[in-house]
Amino acid sequence: GQNIDQPTEMTATEGAIVQINCTYQTSGFNGLFWYQQHAGEAPTFLSYNVLDGLEEKGRFSSFLSRSKGYSYLLLKELQMKDSASYLCAVRDSNYQLIWGAGTKLIIKP
Amino acid sequence: DAEITQSPRHKITETGRQVTLACHQTWNHNNMFWYRQDLGHGLRLIHYSYGVQDTNKGEVSDGYSVSRSNTEDLPLTLESAASSQTSVYFCASSTQGGETQYFGPGTRLLVL
Repeated sequence: GQNIDQPTEMTATEGAIVQINCTYQTSGFNGLFWYQQHAGEAPTFLSYNVLDGLEEKGRFSSFLSRSKGYSYLLLKELQMKDSASYLCAVRDSNYQLIWGAGTKLIIKP
Repeated sequence: DAEITQSPRHKITETGRQVTLACHQTWNHNNMFWYRQDLGHGLRLIHYSYGVQDTNKGEVSDGYSVSRSNTEDLPLTLESAASSQTSVYFCASSTQGGETQYFGPGTRLLVL
């Protein structure tokens, strides 16, 4: 079966750095996505990785290792507004997105 | 500005009733998707469409149907609502071959 695993909840301090991990087992791989979802709102796109390595976009970076079935999202200089759920999704061989259950990130002052 | 909208935003219905959730996008995207989101689960794909007159079943399609008569709209119908269909429903769209899906604001459905 297809499976995306990520921690249910993480807590971090304002101004700090946090890494949210995602491991996957899917039938085929055509890219990995990270989305941010604030409570009661729609998911919004953060990043896309299809090749191994690190993609940096401002305070957010995303890393992919296809051989390990592993990705992480790195958030730097945390702000209170970063409190949200972070969703990992993999596009499989049918070009469908398989979603993890999400990681709820709590930022404390 | 282009956008994707859903209506209603909140809906309460009774078991056995037919319910239709609307999704309208002005991105002129070919691809449209319906997901449901429940606590402890990732987004789960219900139905999707790659263009007018094209519809496909997703992972959790039982009890749901869609039709695509134009580019802008993909209404989702619950044929006979069940309590297990209480959920938050998201519509999304993307360009053909596009990497990013853009989501509507969601519809909260409660089936009593």
